[in-house]
Amino acid sequence: ILNVEQSPQSLHVQEGDSTNFTCSFPSSNFYALHWYRWETAKSPEALFVMTLNGDEKKKGRISATLNTKEGYSYLYIKGSQPEDSATYLCASPRPGGGADGLTFGKGTHLIIQP
Amino acid sequence: DTGVSQDPRHKITKRGQNVTFRCDPISEHNRLYWYRQTLGQGPEFLTYFQNEAQLEKSRLLSDRFSAERPKGSFSTLEIQRTEQGDSAMYLCASSPGGRVLGYTFGSGTRLTVV
Repeated sequence: ILNVEQSPQSLHVQEGDSTNFTCSFPSSNFYALHWYRWETAKSPEALFVMTLNGDEKKKGRISATLNTKEGYSYLYIKGSQPEDSATYLCASPRPGGGADGLTFGKGTHLIIQP
Repeated sequence: DTGVSQDPRHKITKRGQNVTFRCDPISEHNRLYWYRQTLGQGPEFLTYFQNEAQLEKSRLLSDRFSAERPKGSFSTLEIQRTEQGDSAMYLCASSPGGRVLGYTFGSGTRLTVV
């Protein structure tokens, strides 16, 4: 069983501040790490798929890092804006078997306060 | 192509009734996934298709659940004899394949069993 854990569960941030949150996953049999953003009443949207240890990806004000040896990834948001309010999910492909379905964490619910 | 679409968006049903949901994936994507998300949890894998073949079913999926993807295009998820515990958001996603490519999700079907 693959356990993907996220912290914190929820986070309130003032508009303009920067923030970050964590995803941890088993470091053995690592294959890939996905980040998704899920806004209320919308579809989960893919942000990043990361595969290499030390990888860093960036999309506008959002960036992510990956440490496969210790089993964690950080997501950073610089200069938070109200439109960043969403649930941020990380996920990893389940080890073993032929399926590549993802195991998701419970998410970090981010609220940006104006 | 307008992405992954799911129908209906909301469904309220009485306990014991059967319900069916539909998912239309991105046409070029040969992989289609069903997930279920309940309050406070991340999406949980239910089942997965590659073209028309159902390659894996989660142990979460009881005998009351069945999914099909005739001709490798749209998919349906049927729940027979619904129970209150089936109340959840049912998400469909598609991908072109491989564990390092992000999924494209639909907006989900919110099922409420009363």
